[in-house]
Amino acid sequence: DAGITQSPRHKVTETGTPVTLRCHQTENHRYMYWYRQDPGHGLRLIHYSYGVKDTDKGEVSDGYSVSRSKTEDFLLTLESATSSQTSVYFCAISEMGQGDGANVLTFGAGSRLTVL
Amino acid sequence: RKEVEQDPGPFNVPEGATVAFNCTYSNSASQSFFWYRQDCRKEPKLLMSVYSSGNEDGRFTAQLNRASQYISLLIRDSKLSDSATYLCVANDYKLSFGAGTTVTVRA
Repeated sequence: DAGITQSPRHKVTETGTPVTLRCHQTENHRYMYWYRQDPGHGLRLIHYSYGVKDTDKGEVSDGYSVSRSKTEDFLLTLESATSSQTSVYFCAISEMGQGDGANVLTFGAGSRLTVL
Repeated sequence: RKEVEQDPGPFNVPEGATVAFNCTYSNSASQSFFWYRQDCRKEPKLLMSVYSSGNEDGRFTAQLNRASQYISLLIRDSKLSDSATYLCVANDYKLSFGAGTTVTVRA
């Protein structure tokens, strides 16, 4: 399996608190992504990165920020968590980027976040 | 309208049966497609890529119909281990995921 790990795997927090999720890869892939998965919805892209310090917004980026200071690490931050951000968050990596026909993703195990 | 739509199921089938389900996509410019498999409370994993009219991998066959803008997945000789949710993905300049079709194979 690809070397991609997420932490924490589970977190319960209260509304208004900051939360940071970490994604770490050992595959040296250029592209990294954060998705959220909710019942009845497909995976929705929050933010993605196409290189160190290079990031862009996805379709559901409001309330989230990201940082990528090293190739291997991609952090997702909820500055002030809300109940609507209760979800399962998946990090993914790929060798090809957005728009490439062969853009195959490898996912981390997921981080289950509950905001009370 | 969602960019990728799937029948959520569940499709309940006995072992050994054939099961097939479709995925429709709205963007005719989509250039490639993928099927991912997701087990309960696990991450999605790539099952198959589809770049032309279809693809076959063992018991799994994907067929692409560009005229009608749908892609199907057929599973032959179903195994208990095929029980999962199958996610359809369309790729134009971005990846669009369907919400998944759940398949349950019973003994």
